[in-house]
Formats: sequence, structure tokens, C-alpha cells
Amino acid sequence: GAVVSQHPSRVICKSGTSVKIECRSLDFQATTMFWYRQFPKKSLMLMATSNEGSKATYEQGVEKDKFLINHASLTLSTLTVTSAHPEDSSFYICSASPVTAISSNQPQHFGDGTRLSIL
Amino acid sequence: DQQVKQNSPSLSVQEGRISILNCDYTNSMFDYFLWYKKYPAEGPTFLISISSIKDKNEDGRFTVFLNKSAKHLSLHIVPSQPGDSAVYFCAARPISNFGNEKLTFGTGTRLTIIP
Repeated sequence: GAVVSQHPSRVICKSGTSVKIECRSLDFQATTMFWYRQFPKKSLMLMATSNEGSKATYEQGVEKDKFLINHASLTLSTLTVTSAHPEDSSFYICSASPVTAISSNQPQHFGDGTRLSIL
Repeated sequence: DQQVKQNSPSLSVQEGRISILNCDYTNSMFDYFLWYKKYPAEGPTFLISISSIKDKNEDGRFTVFLNKSAKHLSLHIVPSQPGDSAVYFCAARPISNFGNEKLTFGTGTRLTIIP
């Protein structure tokens, strides 16, 4: 259980293109999903917290107009990198936690990530 | 300000021996701690977790120890196997009523198991 699917796994596109990445929780509902970015040989950097039905919460230094997040349902969040440039090339990963009434200590489960390469 | 630190960027261990990965944290509000394993070009895979009310949690070959007074946790893998070679991240989050608090990750330790 607790499977998170992320699509696409790899994107190569020209500078100026907007790219949408999907994150789906396949067997559970997630009111909250998280978007991370990982630079080579670095830790995972939280970009934003995606809340179903409301605006995302962005971490300091992350441009909300650049990285648009939509969390329209309890199983789907999308990250759109608008007008992507080479410096946006990175590995983007989403995660979600099953939320139950019994216990709040549930681990976040991650998608397999999206490798974005902007030429 | 790195609130979760993994001071060893890499570790090599002989197959069959014990691997010990360490993690320190500074935020006393952290209440729930997790270890993830990550292969290149893949998302992290959850391994094991521990809440602050415990000092040890065991799952098969994996055991996590928590020392709250020292703000230190460790992951023990025994016996180590070649398939354990990966980057290991520790992560922490504060008390949550809904399980949706954000995680703070360490910088990772690359574990290499030598056959």
C-alpha cells in the first residue's frame, strides 16, 4: 500500500517551455502533498506544501509564479514549471502521507521523481 | 541552518558486518524521525521510523535508536548486504495532529557494501 506515482519520469525540452509534473496517490487519499527538488549530490529541498482545495504554501526563496502548484483532488497534485530555463534543470520529487484518524505518525511516501532537463 | 545533520557523507562496510549510520538534529520540537533509502534517479523509499516516546524500533535487519537528550539517532543494518548500497537520508518533523507536517532532511550518507 501507500503508493505514490509521479509522471513523467523524464522531460527534455527547450528553454521557455512550461512543463507539468503530476503526482498521484494511488491507494490512499492525501490532503497534503509535498514537492521537493534535489540538486546533484545534495539533500532534498522542500519547495512547497500542496494543500487540497487551497493555495500551496511555498518555502522561502521559491518563486510561486515560477512553480505553480495545483491540488485539485485528494489524489492528485500538479507542479508546473513555467517558462523553464536551464537553471530549472533538476530532479523534482513529490511525496504524500496517508492521513488516518488513528495515528498521525505515518511516513511520507515518495514518487520516483522527474528528471527535468532544459536545453 | 541545517537542523538535521548527517556528518558522514560516505561509509563503506564489509558484507555481513553491521552498518551504522548517524544523524544529529538541533530542533527540540522534532518528534518523529524517519530513515529513507535512495537510489540514483529514484524517489526515496521509506525504511523505518521512530517517535520520540520510544528509544528503539526494530524491523528485520534495520534498527533505529533515538537518544533524545543527545538529539541523536542512528540506523543499524545487520547483516549488511550488497543491495543495501544506496544513499540514506534521515528526516525529522515536529508533532503533528494530522500527519502532514513537512519533513526536514539530512544531507545523506552514501553507504557502500563491499562484497
